[in-house]
Amino acid sequence: GENVEQHPSTLSVQEGDSAVIKCTYSDSASNYFPWYKQELGKGPQLIIDIRSNVGEKKDQRIAVTLNKTAKHFSLHITETQPEDSAVYFCAVPWGGGANNLFFGTGTRLTVIP
Amino acid sequence: DGGITQSPKYLFRKEGQNVTLSCEQNLNHDAMYWYRQDPGQGLRLIYYSQIVNDFQKGDIAEGYSVSREKKESFPLTVTSAQKNPTAFYLCASKRTGEYQPQHFGDGTRLSIL
Repeated sequence: GENVEQHPSTLSVQEGDSAVIKCTYSDSASNYFPWYKQELGKGPQLIIDIRSNVGEKKDQRIAVTLNKTAKHFSLHITETQPEDSAVYFCAVPWGGGANNLFFGTGTRLTVIP
Repeated sequence: DGGITQSPKYLFRKEGQNVTLSCEQNLNHDAMYWYRQDPGQGLRLIYYSQIVNDFQKGDIAEGYSVSREKKESFPLTVTSAQKNPTAFYLCASKRTGEYQPQHFGDGTRLSIL
């Protein structure tokens, strides 16, 4: 089955600095890689996703990079702001039709004003 | 607005009681999911349903039961057989097929009195 490792588990950065979170996965057939942001007391919200046929995708201050050979993908947040403070989860698909997701253990990001 | 509604937001259970958590979606999604989240941990899959009147066990199904009589609804019952039910429960849904993200509700926090 699929296995996902997410690092680091906690990350503190100064406001304006960049943050990088990395996930490694085991199933080379995985072809879709979403990232979720979870604020306190809320459900996770999709912030960006990438398909396996591209190496990088950007959306304003957020980007995801994918290295299929090494089987890892990373979330990059530039010019961090206090409202970026949250828990971030990566996920990879498993199961027939890729309908299920296996989630990483999460990274608690704290942006220090 | 379309979305996923979980109710109640907070729920208290006496030992030996069954409780049912509600999850309703108006996104016309075929697939629905229940996850359990413990403090500082990731999401663990309890049950999932790809279509009405069909559901499958996830990684931690023991002590839980579900039904899927309507496309919009996927209630979760936490039975007295679940020995450690205190947790944050998240419901999600998605369109069938690859490259489709899961959309989450805002969760129900269950506590034992």
